[in-house]
Amino acid sequence: DARVTQTPRDKVTEMGQEVTMRCQPILGHNTVFWYRQTMMQGLELLAYFRNRAPLDDSGMPKDRFSAEMPDATLATLKIQPSEPRDSAVYFCASALGRGLQETQYFGPGTRLLVL
Amino acid sequence: KNQVEQSPQSLIILEGKNCTLQCNYTVSPFSNLRWYKQDTGRGPVSLTIMTFSENTKSNGRYTATLDADTKQSSLHITASQLSDSASYICVHGDSSYKLIFGSGTRLLVRP
Repeated sequence: DARVTQTPRDKVTEMGQEVTMRCQPILGHNTVFWYRQTMMQGLELLAYFRNRAPLDDSGMPKDRFSAEMPDATLATLKIQPSEPRDSAVYFCASALGRGLQETQYFGPGTRLLVL
Repeated sequence: KNQVEQSPQSLIILEGKNCTLQCNYTVSPFSNLRWYKQDTGRGPVSLTIMTFSENTKSNGRYTATLDADTKQSSLHITASQLSDSASYICVHGDSSYKLIFGSGTRLLVRP
């Protein structure tokens, strides 16, 4: 049963600390997305990659967030330094092909709390 | 102003009953309209994806409709089950990869 995996599932940290979230997309999927979900804003697209190349990261605060795909099986989202307003659930999703009208498969999310 | 608006915000129904959730969108351009189900503490799961030329699509007891002229969509759930209790999110896709999510309708199905 292929699925997107994310680690850690939960993270509590103090303001100013670096946070790294990892995602393993479904094997063979060539498009990876990072989303953030909060009660106030709902789900927001932060960035996405196709064939490991970043296509759009306009949804990310550039000064503190960075997203990379070191290889086809790993995507990372880093926050440095973290702030309390970054507290949210961060989801990774992957899709096969162009992803334009194809299903995006979401991981279970990383719940981040910044104190 | 939210570009994808859903109603109602929450809904309680009895097991076995039907219900319809609404979605209005103002975003352009349009490529596709999606409905997701999100259980508490989990990631969203795709229910349906409709393109401009489709006005209805079913997935088991879930049936989505789309009126691209009025920019409205609905999700109809037939013979509800306890496991249908979740948030249902309407999502607009533009001509790129970008998805814009509605705030969701929280459905509670009671025995």
